Amino acid sequence: QQQVRQSPQSLTVWEGETAILNCSYENSAFDYFPWYQQFPGEGPALLISILSVSDKKEDGRFTIFFNKREKKLSLHIADSQPGDSATYFCAASALQGGRALIFGTGTTVSVSP
Amino acid sequence: GPKVLQIPSHQIIDMGQMVTLNCDPVSNHLYFYWYKQILGQQMEFLVNFYNGKVMEKSKLFKDQFSVERPDGSYFTLKIQPTALEDSAVYFCASSFAGGNQAPLFGEGTRLSVL
Repeated sequence: QQQVRQSPQSLTVWEGETAILNCSYENSAFDYFPWYQQFPGEGPALLISILSVSDKKEDGRFTIFFNKREKKLSLHIADSQPGDSATYFCAASALQGGRALIFGTGTTVSVSP
Repeated sequence: GPKVLQIPSHQIIDMGQMVTLNCDPVSNHLYFYWYKQILGQQMEFLVNFYNGKVMEKSKLFKDQFSVERPDGSYFTLKIQPTALEDSAVYFCASSFAGGNQAPLFGEGTRLSVL
């Protein structure tokens, strides 16, 4: 059972465009959603996160939109740059000490100059 | 900034042997995690650890797997015996508080079981 799903699996955008990455989850107990960025050969690095009490979180060019009722969220990367080319993982956990962070299937983004 | 260090970066062993993967978490972190990733695909949760005890483990955390952190030293993942399907990159992570603090990940140890 896949608890966290992401779409599309891969995405290509032109430099300057907005990339939109989608995520959905099944477990109603999830209330914390970090997004990680991973480059080949490296560990995942935290990009931005949101709590379920919010419906939007913005940090520079990165914005999370969250819909609790539909159990969906999305990551928007505005003004995409070639350096944004990476795999992005949506993750989810319950707000309780040290709970397991469950990762989605990932979206690989390629930004063409 | 703070880093999670993993040693070694690459380990090659024969099937059936024992292997220990070492993780040096951030010094004031209290929660520790192991994840498994195959070929850059999904990060799969294995186990989390707090106050000397396993908190949760997934179905991937087979009986051949064990974790410990003796006396505040390395947080280790031991596999005994190893199987071919254990070949993957294993990531260690740590966090100060659970829940709303995203774990900080290391660079991973690539395990190749021959």
